[in-house]
Amino acid sequence: AQKITQTQPGMFVQEKEAVTLDCTYDTSDQSYGLFWYKQPSSGEMIFLIYQGSYDEQNATEGRYSLNFQKARKSANLVISASQLGDSAMYFCAMRAEGAQKLVFGQGTRLTINP
Amino acid sequence: EPEVTQTPSHQVTQMGQEVILRCVPISNHLYFYWYRQILGQKVEFLVSFYNNEISEKSEIFDDQFSVERPDGSNFTLKIRSTKLEDSAMYFCASSEGRTLTDTQYFGPGTRLTVL
Repeated sequence: AQKITQTQPGMFVQEKEAVTLDCTYDTSDQSYGLFWYKQPSSGEMIFLIYQGSYDEQNATEGRYSLNFQKARKSANLVISASQLGDSAMYFCAMRAEGAQKLVFGQGTRLTINP
Repeated sequence: EPEVTQTPSHQVTQMGQEVILRCVPISNHLYFYWYRQILGQKVEFLVSFYNNEISEKSEIFDDQFSVERPDGSNFTLKIRSTKLEDSAMYFCASSEGRTLTDTQYFGPGTRLTVL
């Protein structure tokens, strides 16, 4: 079974600062994917970034990057130069190879202050 | 950019009633999913569907739930006899394939309120 832990229920950051959202995971699978989704107050789930367990490089997508430390089983999301529109819930999720279900963490509510 | 759509955005129903939640997945996607999120809690997987069959389901997806692809575009979730604890946001998602790099794209959700 897989488990995702997000230990920060809430984060407050000043606009333009970088922010790191923590995610640790537990799995016995050798091959898996890690995903981050953003959920604004309007409720939709927006895919941000993906990291494969065998990827040697950390994933990047624009202002989003993933600090993947496989030995520590962590996949932290880094948002550079935060913007007011980044205020939202952020969910870390994982999926094992061969499985179809995404397993989500509890989420972190990020608030960007002007 | 193609997106998953869901209707209605909000559904209110009485306990014991049947509800059908509708989704239109992205057109070239072959795998479809339903997830739910009880208010303030994490997103939970319900079921995945491929080639007109359920391919994976969770323990939440009991006999009260069913899914169907009634035509070439819609994907539905039916709850036969709603309970108070079914109140949640229900998300439909779709993906092109089932490899790890096949991202699941989510719709905007249907908020179901059971009174």
